[in-house]
Amino acid sequence: GAGVSQSPSNKVTEKGKDVELRCDPISGHTALYWYRQSLGQGLEFLIYFQGNSAPDKSGLPSDRFSAERTGGSVSTLTIQRTQQEDSAVYLCASSYPRTGSAVDSPLHFGNGTRLTVT
Amino acid sequence: AQSVTQLGSHVSVSEGALVLLRCNYSSSVPPYLFWYVQYPNQGLQLLLKYTSAATLVKGINGFEAEFKKSETSFHLTKPSAHMSDAAEYFCAVSYPAGQNFVFGPGTRLSVLP
Repeated sequence: GAGVSQSPSNKVTEKGKDVELRCDPISGHTALYWYRQSLGQGLEFLIYFQGNSAPDKSGLPSDRFSAERTGGSVSTLTIQRTQQEDSAVYLCASSYPRTGSAVDSPLHFGNGTRLTVT
Repeated sequence: AQSVTQLGSHVSVSEGALVLLRCNYSSSVPPYLFWYVQYPNQGLQLLLKYTSAATLVKGINGFEAEFKKSETSFHLTKPSAHMSDAAEYFCAVSYPAGQNFVFGPGTRLSVLP
């Protein structure tokens, strides 16, 4: 497929468990973002990867959240010791910056992973 | 801090009526501006973008938006609503010196028959 792929599409986990969410960006896209969308809320920025640069982790809400991007492609968002307030849709997006800056290139979003913590 | 305001969390229009979804940003630096649409259980799709070219931007599905620097606005319009336009709409801004996008809270559009 040509789009951004996220897995799983739905994840139900018990409070205190760790979860891993996966994102396969569009091939060749060097910029990758993770956002969190809570019910009735806008998108909350979590983390940004651009090429081989150090990621911008400024949006991660706590040290229970981490993300990595291997080989400049697939990314995994890990949430340790999940809490009920972590329940949300986690969206991944990628882009191909034409000018070296990612911010004038539109984002291509996956369909998200709906995380429910019970 | 930069922010995006979308007036009206929920807008209802009749089929065939004008659609107007409002977006205002707070910044003294001209931003890049985007509108995205989100259908249920899907990610966001780009409708249109403004990146310092023409101030009136035409997008997909008959939508357009006009950048008004004096009003710090980028309102989305469509002359005639279709039932298929019912969705959540997000305005987003970014800045040339930045790395990130700031999204508004979204406006849910309902189209009544």
